[in-house]
Amino acid sequence: GAGVSQSPSNKVTEKGKDVELRCDPISGHTALYWYRQSLGQGLEFLIYFQGNSAPDKSGLPSDRFSAERTGGSVSTLTIQRTQQEDSAVYLCASSLDRQNTEAFFGQGTRLTVV
Amino acid sequence: DAKTTQPTSMDCAEGRAANLPCNHSTISGNEYVYWYRQIHSQGPQYIIHGLKNNETNEMASLIITEDRKSSTLILPHATLRDTAVYYCIVRASGTYKYIFGTGTRLKVLA
Repeated sequence: GAGVSQSPSNKVTEKGKDVELRCDPISGHTALYWYRQSLGQGLEFLIYFQGNSAPDKSGLPSDRFSAERTGGSVSTLTIQRTQQEDSAVYLCASSLDRQNTEAFFGQGTRLTVV
Repeated sequence: DAKTTQPTSMDCAEGRAANLPCNHSTISGNEYVYWYRQIHSQGPQYIIHGLKNNETNEMASLIITEDRKSSTLILPHATLRDTAVYYCIVRASGTYKYIFGTGTRLKVLA
C-alpha cells in the first residue's frame, strides 16, 4: 500500500493479557516511530527506530512495553500484562530518514483493556 | 527540547484565512518548526515545516518571525474539512523526536 498500515485497527483485551500491535511502514522509509494517544490527549512518544541503529526506547512507559523492527521494515509493539491505563490509540509513523523530512502516520490501533 | 505554546482553540469562518500562532521562544538556531494536524479519529498529517524563511505549499503558508521566537500557520481559505487539532512542533536539536503538545483545536464554521 501507499501509506503506513497498522493492524489491528481495534483491539479489546482483558487486563493481564499480552497484546501485539503491528506497523507496516512505507516502503523505503528507514525511520519508524511509535506514539500513543490517550483519549483527549496529545501524542506521547514511545520508541524510534532508524535503520540498523539501536532504537531510542526512552519513551516506553514501563518494562511491560517493548518493540522490535525486523529486517528494517515491519515493526511490532508488544504490551505485556496489559493494564487499564494502557487503553489508548497507538500510532505508528515512518519517514525517509531522520533528517528533516515529514513523517507519515498510520490510522492507529485503538486498544481497549477491560 | 524547545517548548511551544499555542492557543487551546480558535474559530474561523469558512472561506476566510485561518491564522494559527505558535510561540517557541527557546528555539535553537538549528531547530526547525513543523506543523501537523490531526482530524478527528485519524493519524496526524504533515502540513509544512521551515527554519528561517517563510514557506508555502499547496496546503498552507508558514511565517516565521525574524528572531524565530514565534511563527504563524496560515490556511488561506479555510474549509469545513480543515477542522482539526493543529500541532506546532520544534524538532529536537540533534535528534529526531517530534514532541507533540496539546495543539490548537481549530473549528471552521459554515
